[in-house]
Amino acid sequence: ELKVEQNPLFLSMQEGKNYTIYCNYSTTSDRLYWYRQDPGKSLESLFVLLSNGAVKQEGRLMASLDTKARLSTLHITAAVHDLSATYFCAVDPGNQFYFGTGTSLTVIP
Amino acid sequence: DSGVTQTPKHLITATGQRVTLRCSPRSGDLSVYWYQQSLDQGLQFLIQYYNGEERAKGNILERFSAQQFPDLHSELNLSSLELGDSALYFCASSVQGGRDSYEQYFGPGTRLTVT
Repeated sequence: ELKVEQNPLFLSMQEGKNYTIYCNYSTTSDRLYWYRQDPGKSLESLFVLLSNGAVKQEGRLMASLDTKARLSTLHITAAVHDLSATYFCAVDPGNQFYFGTGTSLTVIP
Repeated sequence: DSGVTQTPKHLITATGQRVTLRCSPRSGDLSVYWYQQSLDQGLQFLIQYYNGEERAKGNILERFSAQQFPDLHSELNLSSLELGDSALYFCASSVQGGRDSYEQYFGPGTRLTVT
């Protein structure tokens, strides 16, 4: 069965600090997605990574994809409180989407 | 606002009952996806429709069924409900389906509580 693992599951970080969330998956997939979910809300698409070596940045978030290592990272630079949310990665090996367990991020002032 | 609408927002029903959740995709999107989110099992893909036809099936129980209508809205039918079916059900849409699908836009969800 395909597995998508994120770590850490919970992350508490101070404002201004940097950190990386990791997403490992167990099957071949050349596309990977990152989503954000605020408590009680729906999912918001952050990044779509479509090929090996893809890197995308939006504000303080940067995502990358290494399909050979089956690894994606979501790097947070100089965290601010507004980034507090749960972050999910998802892979699409072919017509289905498999989501990671989610990383709950809390940014402390 | 993603442009995807779901009704109802909340639903409370008893075990053994049947409910229908409705989803309207963004204008122009042909693909609709259904997901279940629960504390126990996280986010799970249930089923995908593309332009009225079933395109992919995930962890959808036999008690659940879905369809996409000619106007592209979709309904998810849940029958013989059990306590464990209590969850948040999301619908998402994208422009295309299959390997051409890129970004998905999620609706606000329907929170189902089975008592």
